Amino acid sequence: EPEVTQTPSHQVTQMGQEVILRCVPISNHLYFYWYRQILGQKVEFLVSFYNNEISEKSEIFDDQFSVERPDGSNFTLKIRSTKLEDSAMYFCASSVGLAPNEQFFGPGTRLTVL
Amino acid sequence: GNSVTQMEGPVTLSEEAFLTINCTYTATGYPSLFWYVQYPGEGLQLLLKATKADDKGSNKGFEATYRKETTSFHLEKGSVQVSDSAVYFCALSDNRGSTLGRLYFGRGTQLTVWP
Repeated sequence: EPEVTQTPSHQVTQMGQEVILRCVPISNHLYFYWYRQILGQKVEFLVSFYNNEISEKSEIFDDQFSVERPDGSNFTLKIRSTKLEDSAMYFCASSVGLAPNEQFFGPGTRLTVL
Repeated sequence: GNSVTQMEGPVTLSEEAFLTINCTYTATGYPSLFWYVQYPGEGLQLLLKATKADDKGSNKGFEATYRKETTSFHLEKGSVQVSDSAVYFCALSDNRGSTLGRLYFGRGTQLTVWP
């Protein structure tokens, strides 16, 4: 069964460093998303991406964040200068269409900023 | 705005016990409602959904009914199994406006079922 994959599963970085989180969505999906969950808090929407551009972003998704689909299969989230408060589990998701179509989630990348 | 509130966990039950996880929502329009489940080491998986008032979503013995009058979407299962141990997330999507894509999630409820 097709699935969304994410790498790495765990990333440890120093404050101020750049990180790139990688995702491979399901191949025939058209919509791509990033969410994050800070420990003990809600899963929060970051950004959605369609037709090679951002279609929606939340107030969390500031200039430190960017997304890219560099090669038609990968979907990446870059954080330019990480802060302690960026420590969270980051989930990638993809869907054939907009909600209520199902969003398929990857297993997540745990980012720890020291 | 849109938000989801679900009962705090963790919830610990014995096998074959009845499960209820409460979820209430606030929405500006007429949302679709979802329950996602996350098993250890895996991503969130859609468990069930309902797209309009009075719809009942069901899957794997779990059920939830979209109650507009109480703005609720409580998850129930009549007899839980050890394999149901997971984190359960209630979520909504707005069916109109500028936030068509995003899901709004609750905090998740950890369920542990003992044999």
